[in-house]
Amino acid sequence: GAGVSQSPRYKVAKRGQDVALRCDPISGHVSLFWYQQALGQGPEFLTYFQNEAQLDKSGLPSDRFFAERPEGSVSTLKIQRTQQEDSAVYLCASRETAGSEGNQPQHFGDGTRLSIL
Amino acid sequence: QQQVKQSPQSLIVQKGGISIINCAYENTAFDYFPWYQQFPGKGPALLIAIRPDVSEKKEGRFTISFNKSAKQFSLHIMDSQPGDSATYFCAASGLRDSNYQLIWGAGTKLIIKP
Repeated sequence: GAGVSQSPRYKVAKRGQDVALRCDPISGHVSLFWYQQALGQGPEFLTYFQNEAQLDKSGLPSDRFFAERPEGSVSTLKIQRTQQEDSAVYLCASRETAGSEGNQPQHFGDGTRLSIL
Repeated sequence: QQQVKQSPQSLIVQKGGISIINCAYENTAFDYFPWYQQFPGKGPALLIAIRPDVSEKKEGRFTISFNKSAKQFSLHIMDSQPGDSATYFCAASGLRDSNYQLIWGAGTKLIIKP
């Protein structure tokens, strides 16, 4: 597709369950970001991939959060033993270039709205 | 500390009026300042962006004004239309461990009254 695609669009899980959120970036984009957006707030950085390498995971809130991008394209954000405070919209963004090539626009998907009951 | 402060939190403007949203930043290492528009249920969409070597950038009805010495930048929407009603986010980024992550403002909910 032409844009960043995320699935599922909505996910409801019971507290304690594991969830997996998928991101299909724009084809050929080197950089991939995950952000968490709480209701009524701006997105907050979670983690960054350059191709398959996870170069920054400083924003992951706990060791229950895990992200991967094994072949440098599709990425999965996994949350283990979900808690109510994990309820948020999870946004994925991709960028054509690596960070070393300068600051370029990030293109966002429509997010996955995660609700933990 | 890396922070971007955005105001106002909400804004109501009459159709045809000028909408103005302001942001201030602290980190002088920031070198890219985008504005994003977000509709309910959608991801943020890049509207316009500016780099610190210019003081103003205009694209159609949207203008960014940038004041490097004051560490402030603003979005002006001319001839505001009901279709502009959305939440607007300013953001900033600079080289940090080679990733240029975006640091976001808290957002401004803009309502254009017909």
